[in-house]
Amino acid sequence: DQQVKQNSPSLSVQEGRISILNCDYTNSMFDYFLWYKKYPAEGPTFLISISSIKDKNEDGRFTVFLNKSAKHLSLHIVPSQPGDSAVYFCAASSLSGSARQLTFGSGTQLTVLP
Amino acid sequence: NAGVTQTPKFQVLKTGQSMTLQCAQDMNHNSMYWYRQDPGMGLRLIYYSASEGTTDKGEVPNGYNVSRLNKREFSLRLESAAPSQTSVYFCASSEWVGSNTIYFGEGSWLTVV
Repeated sequence: DQQVKQNSPSLSVQEGRISILNCDYTNSMFDYFLWYKKYPAEGPTFLISISSIKDKNEDGRFTVFLNKSAKHLSLHIVPSQPGDSAVYFCAASSLSGSARQLTFGSGTQLTVLP
Repeated sequence: NAGVTQTPKFQVLKTGQSMTLQCAQDMNHNSMYWYRQDPGMGLRLIYYSASEGTTDKGEVPNGYNVSRLNKREFSLRLESAAPSQTSVYFCASSEWVGSNTIYFGEGSWLTVV
């Protein structure tokens, strides 16, 4: 039973347009959400995060929106650039005792076309 | 900045062989992790070490053992490799086990034939 779902395996966007990547979760205990970006043959790198007490967090071209009632978050990239082409993983964090556990979605391959 | 380094990057094993994946971090982090990534699935936690001297099972620990050799190093061992363990393995670290952000190595591609 996947607790974090990214239902779109792939997304293609024209350079300069907005990319919107979506993520849904089922566990109400998740209180922190992260997006990681992964290039081929590299490890995932942290991109942006949001606490469950917020509904929006912005960092340059990247904005993450959280809708707790819908258990949905999205990553907006504006404007999209060819260098943004990568796999994007959504992750959700919950506290288990004193340890944080990260649960990852299956990833969305973003391709930004020049 | 090296960050998290893991070796080897690529390995082919025969069923039943054993091997150890090595991982080291230079960020003075207390906590370290081993994940595996399979096609169409997210990263799944195999084992983690909250601090030097401790290890705990994650979501998919069967078939693996780990050793937290010191604060810097955390190894993953496959005692008797199986084709189901063909995967990409990522080591990661975080400042402490309650940290929200973890930092990954570049991955180790393991094929078991």
